[in-house]
Amino acid sequence: EIVLTQSPATLSLSPGERATLSCRASQSVSSYLAWYQQKPGQAPRLLIYDASNRATGIPARFSGSGSGIDFTLTISSLEPEDFAVYYCQQRSDWPLTFGGGTKVEIK
Amino acid sequence: EVQLVESGGGLVQPGGSLRLSCAASGFTFSNYWMHWVRQAPGKGLVWVSGISGSGSGVRYADSVKGRFTISRDNAKNTLSLQMDSLRAEDAAVYYCAGTRVIMSRVDWFDPWGQGTLVTVSS
Repeated sequence: EIVLTQSPATLSLSPGERATLSCRASQSVSSYLAWYQQKPGQAPRLLIYDASNRATGIPARFSGSGSGIDFTLTISSLEPEDFAVYYCQQRSDWPLTFGGGTKVEIK
Repeated sequence: EVQLVESGGGLVQPGGSLRLSCAASGFTFSNYWMHWVRQAPGKGLVWVSGISGSGSGVRYADSVKGRFTISRDNAKNTLSLQMDSLRAEDAAVYYCAGTRVIMSRVDWFDPWGQGTLVTVSS
């Protein structure tokens, strides 16, 4: 099973600041990695797919990078609605797996 | 409008059974692999099971293999999860989600339902 490790677990930032979230895979997943955003009481929402492609309707302040083992989600300037939990997920192999999540909270 | 609506959650005793359903609309259901993803209270997302568009291919997480059965009815645009021998650790919100298939590989989870809560307690 491919294990995805996200860091940090919690990121405390102010609106307008830059957020950098990390996801490391236990083995190469090529570019088969996605990022999801989840707000309390809501289902996850696809943000980034195939490591660096924004999903439909996702603002340009969200960007993804990386390949192989190390991946990064960057939010260039945090908006109030961006404070949420973010998960990475791989589709390189079964079982499909998620990282443990990074909570972006208001400082 | 693309929509997934789960139902069937509730309170069940350890060792009991429950059947979840997911009604799909607004997209070509049979073109999607469909999955169940769960989230225990305050915890992260865990993929549980998936089924191919035709229903011929199924996958399970090791933690539920032999206890849960996924199925689909493409005529009714419905996904189901039969959960038997339930344990306390199965308690979670269960989401149904769809993935397309790109070059023989499942794509990303999109769309998602809003989830249904399963509580396992005596």
